[in-house]
Amino acid sequence: DQQVKQNSPSLSVQEGRISILNCDYTNSMFDYFLWYKKYPAEGPTFLISISSIKDKNEDGRFTVFLNKSAKHLSLHIVPSQPGDSAVYFCAASGGGATNKLIFGTGTLLAVQP
Amino acid sequence: SQTIHQWPATLVQPVGSPLSLECTVEGTSNPNLYWYRQAAGRGLQLLFYSVGIGQISSEVPQNLSASRPQDRQFILSSKKLLLSDSGFYLCAWSTTGLAGARKDFGPGTRLTVT
Repeated sequence: DQQVKQNSPSLSVQEGRISILNCDYTNSMFDYFLWYKKYPAEGPTFLISISSIKDKNEDGRFTVFLNKSAKHLSLHIVPSQPGDSAVYFCAASGGGATNKLIFGTGTLLAVQP
Repeated sequence: SQTIHQWPATLVQPVGSPLSLECTVEGTSNPNLYWYRQAAGRGLQLLFYSVGIGQISSEVPQNLSASRPQDRQFILSSKKLLLSDSGFYLCAWSTTGLAGARKDFGPGTRLTVT
């Protein structure tokens, strides 16, 4: 049962344009959502997060939007740069003592120069 | 600042051989520790987590085991590797509480079982 879904396995965007990566979840108990960026043969690096009590969080070129009623979040990258090319993972946490993260399957973003 | 180490970086092992992957964290105490695996073309699957020394929880039934002999050391093991154990293994740590939702990952170990 995939609780966190990224339905687009890949996305191609021109440099300078906006990249929009989408993520859907099924468990309404998730209270924290995160985005990670991953290059091949490296560990994921944290990008940005959002608490379930907010609907938007911004950090530089990266903005995450959360729509709780639709159980949907998205990551916007503006403007996109070639160095942004990587796999982006959406993750959700249900809190508690263990704070386990449930990851989506990832979206490969390719930013064309 | 905190640093997480994993070794080896790559490993090629025959089917049926044992496995030991090590993860250590510096610059923090009593972290939550996690082992994840990324199989080819798939997302990150949580394998084990630990909230303290000697405390291990398994997320999925499998051919692997984990141990936490020291506060900042987490070990992933197998007695006999299967072909399906191939993948990219990642160790992660976090604090507890709300801030613990964020996990910081190590560089990973690429395991190929032949």
